[in-house]
Amino acid sequence: SAVISQKPSRDICQRGTSLTIQCQVDSQVTMMFWYRQQPGQSLTLIATANQGSEATYESGFVIDKFPISRPNLTFSTLTVSNMSPEDSSIYLCSVSRTESEQYFGPGTRLTVT
Amino acid sequence: GNSVTQMEGPVTLSEEAFLTINCTYTATGYPSLFWYVQYPGEGLQLLLKATKADDKGSNKGFEATYRKETTSFHLEKGSVQVSDSAVYFCALIPSGGYNKLIFGAGTRLAVHP
Repeated sequence: SAVISQKPSRDICQRGTSLTIQCQVDSQVTMMFWYRQQPGQSLTLIATANQGSEATYESGFVIDKFPISRPNLTFSTLTVSNMSPEDSSIYLCSVSRTESEQYFGPGTRLTVT
Repeated sequence: GNSVTQMEGPVTLSEEAFLTINCTYTATGYPSLFWYVQYPGEGLQLLLKATKADDKGSNKGFEATYRKETTSFHLEKGSVQVSDSAVYFCALIPSGGYNKLIFGAGTRLAVHP
């Protein structure tokens, strides 16, 4: 398994502002992902964070809105830009070393007012 | 495309009752299948997995069998406890899917004493 931490654990932000969420893993991992869980909903993949190159975004998500960095094999950030109330969600990072296992961080609960 | 369909919740059971949460999938080839659990206020935890047809995943008294012929991966437990109250997500990674998890809608389980 892997020990994953996220900062902040929760935040309340005003519309129009941006928030950067950090994800730290206790050891090197091959793949890191960012997911969104809207209130009462399932999880949707935002993007794959690639080490040393631009993130790979899923349909419906764009880099200008959700810029992602991954400077090394244990750390990644997701920024939610120009926030609106519709961005209120739980944002989770996950990591994977093998094809068959993926582990999730505790999540960041974001409320946009 | 690839998708996961779960039975709608909430599922309400008395302690020591038998649990079944149905999950069916649509995918080409042989996806890997997973059950994740989300306890109140927490992140996702991998509960069990199966990576090929007829595999049975098991953990903490929960079981699920990968049925290729019915494209199903139903979650079962013989005797639930109050502490099992949570939201359960069925998920898959498609063949050659670069570890991108596709989640079902989730099923909320409430167990009463």
